[in-house]
Amino acid sequence: QQQVKQSPQSLIVQKGGISIINCAYENTAFDYFPWYQQFPGKGPALLIAIRPDVSEKKEGRFTISFNKSAKQFSLHIMDSQPGDSATYFCAASPGGWGKLQFGAGTQVVVTP
Amino acid sequence: GAGVSQSPSNKVTEKGKDVELRCDPISGHTALYWYRQSLGQGLEFLIYFQGNSAPDKSGLPSDRFSAERTGGSVSTLTIQRTQQEDSAVYLCASSQDRGYTGELFFGEGSRLTVL
Repeated sequence: QQQVKQSPQSLIVQKGGISIINCAYENTAFDYFPWYQQFPGKGPALLIAIRPDVSEKKEGRFTISFNKSAKQFSLHIMDSQPGDSATYFCAASPGGWGKLQFGAGTQVVVTP
Repeated sequence: GAGVSQSPSNKVTEKGKDVELRCDPISGHTALYWYRQSLGQGLEFLIYFQGNSAPDKSGLPSDRFSAERTGGSVSTLTIQRTQQEDSAVYLCASSQDRGYTGELFFGEGSRLTVL
């Protein structure tokens, strides 16, 4: 069964708008939560990651919000740009290593 | 090379044939992972190699799947007696170690189509 549930499956946002992707998990042993960005024909690349000892992490236009009690975390893309059009995957693992459980992915399309 | 290299990039095979997929990780990376990405789905962990330790094979879906890593570098994923449900993109990733950063560097994948 999928240990990390991601929504929405897809979203369309206008240039300059905010894209929000949500993920939820059940396994309380998870303590590392990365987001990966994937362009067509390419492998995923790490975008930003968070540990549960902080509730928010921001890198440029990308922010992760983390709610440990609700076992949820989300990615916010501020001032979305057409170059942000890609598939975004949330993931989680125990101990911060690479045996990651991935969400199903969200295809983001940013219109000019 | 600078990144993770995978070959072939595309493979079309007939049901029942065996296939081999190759991964050349980033030089110096001790950890190597194989993931499978099916259409419209997330990535599914298959197997993990760390240095000279025994591999973690817990994600392999059946005994038709196997993988080896020679000399702590290149890895080969073998699928025997391929089935149509094996059609997917097989992604290889490497990382420096089992450290807490957890960043995986992925190759571009090998797209397998089983007819």
